[in-house]
Amino acid sequence: QVQLVESGGGVVQPGRSLRLSCAASGFTFSSYGMYWVRQAPGKGLEWVALIWHDGTKKYYADFVKGRFTISRDNSKNTLYLQMSSLRAEDTAVYYCARSNQFDYWGQGTLVTVSS
Amino acid sequence: DVVMTQSPLSLPVTLGQPASISCRSSQSLVYSDGNTYLNWFQQRPGQSPRRLIYKVSNRDSGVPDRFSGSGSGTDFTLKISRVEAEDVGVYYCLQGTHWPPTFGQGTKVEIK
Repeated sequence: QVQLVESGGGVVQPGRSLRLSCAASGFTFSSYGMYWVRQAPGKGLEWVALIWHDGTKKYYADFVKGRFTISRDNSKNTLYLQMSSLRAEDTAVYYCARSNQFDYWGQGTLVTVSS
Repeated sequence: DVVMTQSPLSLPVTLGQPASISCRSSQSLVYSDGNTYLNWFQQRPGQSPRRLIYKVSNRDSGVPDRFSGSGSGTDFTLKISRVEAEDVGVYYCLQGTHWPPTFGQGTKVEIK
C-alpha cells in the first residue's frame, strides 16, 4: 500500500535551517510529481512546493521562494524540503502529498521556529 | 490565484442527520480537457488530510457511500447523508484546475 513518511521536523531558531524528508513506498515514486503542503497551528492547508516526477521542474509558493528548496532522490524513493532563513510564521506541520491529485498524504512533521 | 470559499465554516450536526458543505470558486474549474479538478478532503482531529472525493463526484476507495460530491463550474457541494461520530473533523475543498492549487478555508463538522 502507498505510504509516505515524513521526518526531520523539530524546534529551530529563526534564521536557521532544517531539512525535511519524505520516504515513499508502495508505488513507483519516480512516476509521480510530489508536493509539500503545510498547516500552521489551528489553520488551513497551503501548498508550499511542487517537484515534477523527474525533478526537472520545481515550483514554490511566493512565501517560501528563495528560502526553501524542494528536491528528490528517485533512487532512494525520497522527497526533501531544505528550509533556510526560517521565520516564526513557517511554524507548521509539513506534509508531503502525492501528485497534483493529492491522493495520498503522509502523517506530517512539525516544524517550530522559535527563539 | 483562484479563491475557494467554503460555507458554512462551522457545522453542528445531529447524529444520523444529513450535512452539506458548499464550496465556491472565483473562476470556473472546468479544465481544457473537459474535466473539473475539484477534490474534497477530510481531516479528523490529530490526523493528516485524507482525500474523499476527486473530480467533483468520484469517491476514493474505502470512502463510505454516505459521502457524495456534486456540482459544476464554480459551485460544488459535499453531502453526508447520515452523519456518524467518525465524521467529526474539518473538510476542505481543493481546486487543481488552475495553477497554483488552492484550498478552501475548511468547514468544521461537529456533533450537536
